[in-house]
Amino acid sequence: GENVEQHPSTLSVQEGDSAVIKCTYSDSASNYFPWYKQELGKRPQLIIDIRSNVGEKKDQRIAVTLNKTAKHFSLHITETQPEDSAVYFCAASRNSGNTPLVFGKGTRLSVIA
Amino acid sequence: DSGVTQTPKHLITATGQRVTLRCSPRSGDLSVYWYQQSLDQGLQFLIQYYNGEERAKGNILERFSAQQFPDLHSELNLSSLELGDSALYFCASSPQVSGQETQYFGPGTRLLVL
Repeated sequence: GENVEQHPSTLSVQEGDSAVIKCTYSDSASNYFPWYKQELGKRPQLIIDIRSNVGEKKDQRIAVTLNKTAKHFSLHITETQPEDSAVYFCAASRNSGNTPLVFGKGTRLSVIA
Repeated sequence: DSGVTQTPKHLITATGQRVTLRCSPRSGDLSVYWYQQSLDQGLQFLIQYYNGEERAKGNILERFSAQQFPDLHSELNLSSLELGDSALYFCASSPQVSGQETQYFGPGTRLLVL
């Protein structure tokens, strides 16, 4: 089955700097890669996703890049703000009704003002 | 607010006991997923139901079971509870059966086994 590795497990950045979180996956058939953000004490929420037919996707200060050959994808947050502090989870799945999302173990991002 | 509701919010019980967690999906969503989140752990997928039928199973213990009812709400039953079962249990819902749709998470049920 799919295995998703996520690094780093914790990340501290100064406000205004960029943050990068990286994930690798094992199943070459995976073609959907979402990122979820979980603020302290709250539920995970989707912030951005990418499918394997594109290499990069941006949404304001957030971008995700995908390298299918290397089987890794990354989340980039620019101009970080204190409200970006949260745990971020990457995930991967293949296009099958019986194959659920497999999540990484999460990255705790702290943005220091 | 995602539209997914979970009850109860908190549950404290003793080892060996049995509890039932309840989840109501967003209106119109047919799939319900259950996840376990332990301290400093990621989201461990337990099980998925689609329109009343089990569709995918993760690392769900034999002591745990779930079902989805005709009104699409779902229940997760945890029995013979152990200390290690203490965790945050999330359910999520999505419109269809694909693993490639946005999943909308409920607020979670925090279970403490003493």
